[in-house]
Amino acid sequence: DADVTQTPRNRITKTGKRIMLECSQTKGHDRMYWYRQDPGLGLRLIYYSFDVKDINKGEISDGYSVSRQAQAKFSLSLESAIPNQTALYFCATSEPGPSFTGELFFGEGSRLTVL
Amino acid sequence: QQQVKQSPQSLIVQKGGIPIINCAYENTAFDYFPWYQQFPGKGPALLIAIRPDVSEKKEGRFTISFNKSAKQFSLHIMDSQPGDSATYFCAAPRTTDSWGKFQFGAGTQVVVTP
Repeated sequence: DADVTQTPRNRITKTGKRIMLECSQTKGHDRMYWYRQDPGLGLRLIYYSFDVKDINKGEISDGYSVSRQAQAKFSLSLESAIPNQTALYFCATSEPGPSFTGELFFGEGSRLTVL
Repeated sequence: QQQVKQSPQSLIVQKGGIPIINCAYENTAFDYFPWYQQFPGKGPALLIAIRPDVSEKKEGRFTISFNKSAKQFSLHIMDSQPGDSATYFCAAPRTTDSWGKFQFGAGTQVVVTP
């Protein structure tokens, strides 16, 4: 089983619908992230959480919200999806600060299409 | 906030060639500067990372060169193989206490022909 699991892997929805992307991890990491990937733009940070009670906005948080239900679970929500939120979304985890050596552990991604 | 410019956008080399990908960052160098490799349908995976107080790091056929004064770093893939065909992303720490909060480059698609 993957260390970082994302569901759903693919989702097609309509403008205005509420969508939740879920992420669970078995790495035991406190730090979790949501990134968005668009062609030609690389990956951009949406939200991050350094423990269950810590939630922080990233570079492109408008239109998104998150919930950290437990150490292992971090969900991303689009309250009212719009077409320009069509993208590939990645959840990631990392070691805590003193042990961090540049590595993010990514899930396999959730491809979202908003019509 | 860090901005990262990555070039080229795509690269085709023959087996055994040395693809070179360059990245430039804007702000102060701190924490780790990683390179990630991504295959179609998969999430990015760490390839190699370097601290800014080191000028070069090698891991197998992959080498990072870091030029702090020029605010540039590059990835060299020695003796490239068809299995190295993938998209490569560089990343720079966003702030002094980034710990995983990266600014990524736009990516370089590398194709290694047999």
